[in-house]
Amino acid sequence: DAGVTQSPTHLIKTRGQQVTLRCSPKSGHDTVSWYQQALGQGPQFIFQYYEEEERQRGNFPDRFSGHQFPNYSSELNVNALLLGDSALYLCASSLASEQFFGPGTRLTVL
Amino acid sequence: KQEVTQIPAALSVPEGENLVLNCSFTDSAIYNLQWFRQDPGKGLTSLLLIQSSQREQTSGRLNASLDKSSGRSTLYIAASQPGDSATYLCAPRQGTYKYIFGTGTRLKVLA
Repeated sequence: DAGVTQSPTHLIKTRGQQVTLRCSPKSGHDTVSWYQQALGQGPQFIFQYYEEEERQRGNFPDRFSGHQFPNYSSELNVNALLLGDSALYLCASSLASEQFFGPGTRLTVL
Repeated sequence: KQEVTQIPAALSVPEGENLVLNCSFTDSAIYNLQWFRQDPGKGLTSLLLIQSSQREQTSGRLNASLDKSSGRSTLYIAASQPGDSATYLCAPRQGTYKYIFGTGTRLKVLA
């Protein structure tokens, strides 16, 4: 079992650009959640996808959007990037209670 | 709004000590609570999951307790080792869908 995988590992963008991050859940998991972790902070919940629908959303602007595919993999899209969007973006998958996290994508916005 | 506090923020101890990491949360209406470990620049590794109806969970040298009514959880690490050095995060599950994280306890175990 490969666990939760994320791509790319690192990404550098400039302000105003758009970015897409990808996540493949742990085998058998049908729920994917996305988190943003700024340096020195705990992860902050962005949103969760289940059955290809956004099930719940945290306090993030509409510039952050996502998608879940029939195979349960997911994408996080961020439009009109700001310097403050620089962070580690974590994907977590779950089937019932326990969440399993991927290694994250480090996004740097210049 | 759920707020999670972890004390201490940082801890440096010699190898072999038994450790206590504290987590408090303001809203006791949680579904469960999960403890994670995070190495620098890496993702989170799940350590223990305690359901809201449970009082504690154990895995090897780790033991986590939960007192939901008082909004507290404690992670005990027995006989600490240098390999335990990492940031430890607690996360109560709010409602059925999202986890709220504290800022973590940065642990350094000296050989």
